[in-house]
Amino acid sequence: AQKVTQAQTEISVVEKEDVTLDCVYETRDTTYYLFWYKQPPSGELVFLIRRNSFDEQNEISGRYSWNFQKSTSSFNFTITASQVVDSAVYFCALSPIYNFNKFYFGSGTKLNVKP
Amino acid sequence: NAGVTQTPKFRILKIGQSMTLQCTQDMNHNYMYWYRQDPGMGLKLIYYSVGAGITDKGEVPNGYNVSRSTTEDFPLRLELAAPSQTSVYFCASKISSQGIGYTFGSGTRLTVV
Repeated sequence: AQKVTQAQTEISVVEKEDVTLDCVYETRDTTYYLFWYKQPPSGELVFLIRRNSFDEQNEISGRYSWNFQKSTSSFNFTITASQVVDSAVYFCALSPIYNFNKFYFGSGTKLNVKP
Repeated sequence: NAGVTQTPKFRILKIGQSMTLQCTQDMNHNYMYWYRQDPGMGLKLIYYSVGAGITDKGEVPNGYNVSRSTTEDFPLRLELAAPSQTSVYFCASKISSQGIGYTFGSGTRLTVV
């Protein structure tokens, strides 16, 4: 069975603070993809990153970084020096490589960045 | 670039009514999807299509129907609306089945009363 857990329902930080959003997944597959999506107040989901299970290198993109640890089945997302525009709901998702049409989403973490 | 366009953005239905949620994409994507997002929950796949004339069920297909007569359009039909179908519906597309991210529409907020 596939499952993605985002235990943090809502997080509030003050601008310029760093914040980490947790994502833990369950899968019996050895090969899969992991994703992060951002859903701003406008509602549309925006693709942020894809990581395949072969590659455990951390990735950094500007203020965003992702830590993938296969040993703990986690794919955490860190925003450095948060900004008000980062306020959104963030979703983690899992997709088995054998069936790219099936995405399993976590329940999302709402991030509030206050000025 | 229009991307994925969903209409309407909001709708209130009475129990037992029917409606079609429209989804159009102008990116020539083969793969299209319908998800629903319930409050505090992640997205759940309703139906998907890998090309014109081909559709398949997702995780929660009951109460819905789809068709894919063209590459561009993937409408979602609710035949007998029920309160349990109150949700936000997202249409998404991608060019291939490879593990890449979706392009999502802006969503349709449906309330069944």
